[in-house]
Amino acid sequence: DIQMTQSPSTLSASVGDRVTITCRASQSISSWLAWYQQKPGKAPKLLIYKASTLESGVPSRFSGYGSGTEFTLTISSLQPDDFATYYCQQYNSLWTFGQGTKVEIK
Amino acid sequence: EVQLVESGGGLVQPGGSLRLSCAASGFTFSNYEMNWVRQAPGKGLEWLSYISGNDNNRYYADSVKGRFSISRDNAQNSLYLQMNSLRAEDTAVYYCAKVVAQLPRFWGQGTLVTVSS
Repeated sequence: DIQMTQSPSTLSASVGDRVTITCRASQSISSWLAWYQQKPGKAPKLLIYKASTLESGVPSRFSGYGSGTEFTLTISSLQPDDFATYYCQQYNSLWTFGQGTKVEIK
Repeated sequence: EVQLVESGGGLVQPGGSLRLSCAASGFTFSNYEMNWVRQAPGKGLEWLSYISGNDNNRYYADSVKGRFSISRDNAQNSLYLQMNSLRAEDTAVYYCAKVVAQLPRFWGQGTLVTVSS
């Protein structure tokens, strides 16, 4: 089974900050990596797929990078609506989610 | 408009069974793969099970293999998850999700399952 490890688990930041979340796969998943945003009590929302492709309607301040086993999600200028929990997910072999990164207000 | 509505959650004793349903509307249900994903209270997302549109393929996470069974009724536009031998660690919100291009792009609102004596 492919394991996904995110870091950090929690990230404290201010509006306007540039933030980066890292996701590592236990084996190569090529570019079969997606990123989701989840707010309390809500279902996850797809932000990025195939490591770096922005889902329709997602603001351009979100970007993804990486291939193989190392991936990043960057928010270029954090907005109030972006405080949430972010998950990576591999879909190279079935599905596996990372454990999540909570972005909280500093 | 795509809608997915889960039902069937509730309180069940350890060792018990429960059947979750997901009613789909707003799309041609038989054309799409579907998945179940769960989230324990305060924890992350866990993929549980996959079923192809024509029901030819079913896959499970190791954590539920042999205890949970996914199925679908395309005539009724419904997805199911039969859960047996439930454990305390199965307590979670259970989501059904419509798969588009390999990924869950549409999710239901979730149904809470609590396993406790």
